[in-house]
Amino acid sequence: EDQVTQSPEALRLQEGESSSLNCSYTVSGLRGLFWYRQDPGKGPEFLFTLYSAGEEKEKERLKATLTKKESFLHITAPKPEDSATYLCAVRTNAGGTSYGKLTFGQGTILTVHP
Amino acid sequence: NAGVTQTPKFQVLKTGQSMTLQCAQDMNHNSMYWYRQDPGMGLRLIYYSASEGTTDKGEVPNGYNVSRLNKREFSLRLESAAPSQTSVYFCASRAIAKSSYEQYFGPGTRLTVT
Repeated sequence: EDQVTQSPEALRLQEGESSSLNCSYTVSGLRGLFWYRQDPGKGPEFLFTLYSAGEEKEKERLKATLTKKESFLHITAPKPEDSATYLCAVRTNAGGTSYGKLTFGQGTILTVHP
Repeated sequence: NAGVTQTPKFQVLKTGQSMTLQCAQDMNHNSMYWYRQDPGMGLRLIYYSASEGTTDKGEVPNGYNVSRLNKREFSLRLESAAPSQTSVYFCASRAIAKSSYEQYFGPGTRLTVT
């Protein structure tokens, strides 16, 4: 069974204090790893897709990286507006389907204090 | 371009009542999905529609039915609501391209069953 574990569950940072969120996965044939941002009371917002180990993607203060066992979301010099829940999800070969089923982790709640 | 829209935003039902959650997307996406999000459980797939005219069960389909009305619209029906169905429901859609598996989410419907 595919498993996705995110850590830590919650992270509090001071503005400007860089850190990383972790997403580790145990899956049968990774076909893509996705990062989403979710603000309170809203739906998840797509950030990045990573497909192969060694791949990196950046957007403003966020940088996502991927290894064969985990992904990191690095946040450089965060601002209060970066406060949100960050979700990761994986798409795998499981079931041989092509409908794009995603398995989500439980998320990391990030709070950035001014 | 509104993306994915959901109605209603909030709903309170009594046990045994029925209701339909509506979802529409204007991105010409083929695949559509219904998820529920519960504290500590992450996002779980209820039903999906790989393309117009097809629907299939996800991880937690019991107590729900769906209809893919046309390419744009995908509805979720609760025939006899139960307190265990209290949750936040999200609809999502995915682009046509086979290499593109990121899903785009609506704002959610917050459902309480008393």
